[in-house]
Amino acid sequence: DQQVKQNSPSLSVQEGRISILNCDYTNSMFDYFLWYKKYPAEGPTFLISISSIKDKNEDGRFTVFLNKSAKHLSLHIVPSQPGDSAVYFCAASSYSGTASKLTFGTGTRLQVTL
Amino acid sequence: NAGVTQTPKFQVLKTGQSMTLQCAQDMNHEYMSWYRQDPGMGLRLIHYSVGAGITDQGEVPNGYNVSRSTTEDFPLRLLSAAPSQTSVYFCASSEPGRTEAFFGQGTRLTVV
Repeated sequence: DQQVKQNSPSLSVQEGRISILNCDYTNSMFDYFLWYKKYPAEGPTFLISISSIKDKNEDGRFTVFLNKSAKHLSLHIVPSQPGDSAVYFCAASSYSGTASKLTFGTGTRLQVTL
Repeated sequence: NAGVTQTPKFQVLKTGQSMTLQCAQDMNHEYMSWYRQDPGMGLRLIHYSVGAGITDQGEVPNGYNVSRSTTEDFPLRLLSAAPSQTSVYFCASSEPGRTEAFFGQGTRLTVV
């Protein structure tokens, strides 16, 4: 049973436009959500996170939105750049303030075209 | 500034062989974890540790053993490799109270 779902395996966006990556979860015990970015042959790198007590967190070009009632979060990248092309994983934690046990989605491959 | 170092990067094993995947971190993080990544499955937690001498099972622990004798090292042992263990393995470390984990570059394991 996939507790964190990323239903879009891939997304293609033009450079300069907005990229929106979506993630749904089923476990109500999750209280922290994270986005990781992964390039081929590298480990995932942390991008941005959000606590369940917030509905928005922004860091430069990256903004994460959380809709608890819908159990849905999204990552917005504005403006998208070619270097943003990577696989993006949504992850969730039910142990507030700890990253020792993360539940990951299956990932969305973002391609930013010129 | 090495961060999380995993060795080897690639390994081919025969069914039934044993081996240890090494993971070391130089950030003095208390928490360390092992994940495996399979196509279409995302990353799944195998085992984790919240400090030296303390380990616990994750979502997919069968076929794997871990120990944590020092803060820096968290090896993952496959006692009798099976083709189902063909995967990319990632080690991660993190600090208590922090939600971001730092990952190594991964070990690509093939069991034939």
